[in-house]
Amino acid sequence: GENVEQHPSTLSVQEGDSAVIKCTYSDSASNYFPWYKQELGKGPQLIIDIRSNVGEKKDQRIAVTLNKTAKHFSLHITETQPEDSAVYFCAAALNTGGFKTIFGAGTRLFVKA
Amino acid sequence: DVKVTQSSRYLVKRTGEKVFLECVQDMDHENMFWYRQDPGLGLRLIYFSYDVKMKEKGDIPEGYSVSREKKERFSLILESASTNQTSMYLCAGQVGTEAFFGQGTRLTVV
Repeated sequence: GENVEQHPSTLSVQEGDSAVIKCTYSDSASNYFPWYKQELGKGPQLIIDIRSNVGEKKDQRIAVTLNKTAKHFSLHITETQPEDSAVYFCAAALNTGGFKTIFGAGTRLFVKA
Repeated sequence: DVKVTQSSRYLVKRTGEKVFLECVQDMDHENMFWYRQDPGLGLRLIYFSYDVKMKEKGDIPEGYSVSREKKERFSLILESASTNQTSMYLCAGQVGTEAFFGQGTRLTVV
C-alpha cells in the first residue's frame, strides 16, 4: 500500500522567513496530493492540493510543487506569520471509488515573532 | 459549511469495555473515514466506507470494527478496549477529493 514520509518533524522559523516541508510517497499510482493544517484543538483542514498532472500550484503565501518522477512533493510558505504555527500534514490519495487518503507523520511548525 | 460532528471530545474507558465512537456528517456524501492520530505517527487510517453498509479495512484495523447503517452516520467500535488504543480519533467525511474532519475524540483507556 501507499506510504508517505514527511520531513522535518519539527520546524522553527522567524516571522517573515520561509518554511519548506517535504514529503515522499511510494505508490506511483497516487494522483492527488493534499496538504492539511491542524490548529490546536481542531481537526485538520485542507489548505492546498495538487493533482498529478500539475507541477506547481500557488495560493497567496503558500505553494506546492510535485515531482512525479522522483515521487516527492513540497509545501512552501513565504512571509510566515505567527498564525501559521500549526501541525501540517501532507497526504497522497488514489481514486479507488472514493479517494483513500494516506497521511504523512506531520510537521509541527513554530513561527517566532 | 460542511459539518462533521463527533459525539464526544473526551472519553475515559476501562480496559475490556466495548466502546462506541460516533460520527455524523451533513454532506449527504458517501465516503467516510476513521483515523487515529498519535505523536510522530500522523494520521493512520483504521476503516473507511464508500456507502451504507459498506466498509473496508484501512492500515490498522486490528481491534476495531465499524458500522454504517445510515449514510450520515459512521461509528467506530472498539470491541474490547486496551491501553494501546489510547489515542486521538478523527472522523472525516469526503466531498470530492477533500476530507472534512471532526474535532476529534481523545480516548483514554485505563
